[in-house]
Amino acid sequence: DIQMTQSPSTLSASVGDRVTITCRASQSISSWLAWYQEKPGKAPKLLIYKASSLESGVPSRFSGSGSGTEFTLTISSLQPEDFATFYCQQYNSYPLTFGGGTKVEIK
Amino acid sequence: EVQLVESGGGLVQPGRSLRLSCAASGFTFDDYAMHWVRQAPGKGLEWVSGISWNRGSIAYADSVKGRFTISRDNAKNSLYLQMNSLRAEDTALYYCAKDIGKWLGVFDYWGQGTLVTVSS
Repeated sequence: DIQMTQSPSTLSASVGDRVTITCRASQSISSWLAWYQEKPGKAPKLLIYKASSLESGVPSRFSGSGSGTEFTLTISSLQPEDFATFYCQQYNSYPLTFGGGTKVEIK
Repeated sequence: EVQLVESGGGLVQPGRSLRLSCAASGFTFDDYAMHWVRQAPGKGLEWVSGISWNRGSIAYADSVKGRFTISRDNAKNSLYLQMNSLRAEDTALYYCAKDIGKWLGVFDYWGQGTLVTVSS
C-alpha cells in the first residue's frame, strides 16, 4: 500500500499569510494526487485533483504542485474561511490512501 | 443538485453486523463509481471501499477486507455497505462519496455521514 505523509501536522498562520503544506508518497504516484479541505461538522470538500487541477468553484488562491513523490498545496493569501484541516490523497492505485492531515490554525 | 444521504448507522455490539445505505440524487448514478470513506472520532480520513460504475471493479481497505461488502443498485440510485464481524476500531462516521469518474478514486461530492458505534 502507498503511504502518504503530510507535514506539518499543525500550522499556525495569520490572515493574509502564504501557507504551504507538503505531502509525500512512499512511492511514485505520478500526478494522481488530490487535496481536500475539512471543516468541523462538515463533509470534506475537494480542492485539487491531478496534483494541480483546481476543482470548479474553488478560489484561485489555492494551488497545487508536484509529481512523483513530493507535492505541495499552497494558499497564496490565507482567508478567515480557510482555517480548516487539509488532507492529501493518492489515487495512483488501490487501496486509496490519505495523508494524516494538516490543521491550519489561527495564529 | 447532487445529494448523498447515508443511513443505517447506530450502536452495535462487537461481532455483530450492520448495513449502511446511501441514497443518491441529482446526477446520473450509473455513470460514476462510488465509495465509502470513514473518520474515527478525532482522527483522519480513511478510505474503506469503492465500486465502479458497472460493478466491474471493487476494492477494499486491508482493514475491512473479508468483513465488509460494498454493493450498488443502479435502478434505485443506491449504494450499500454490509459490515460484518464489527470491531471497536470500526467506530467512525461513515461517508458516502461520489467519484469524479467511472473508477478514478477522487471524491467530488460527499454525504453528511452516518455514525457507527461498535461497543458492548
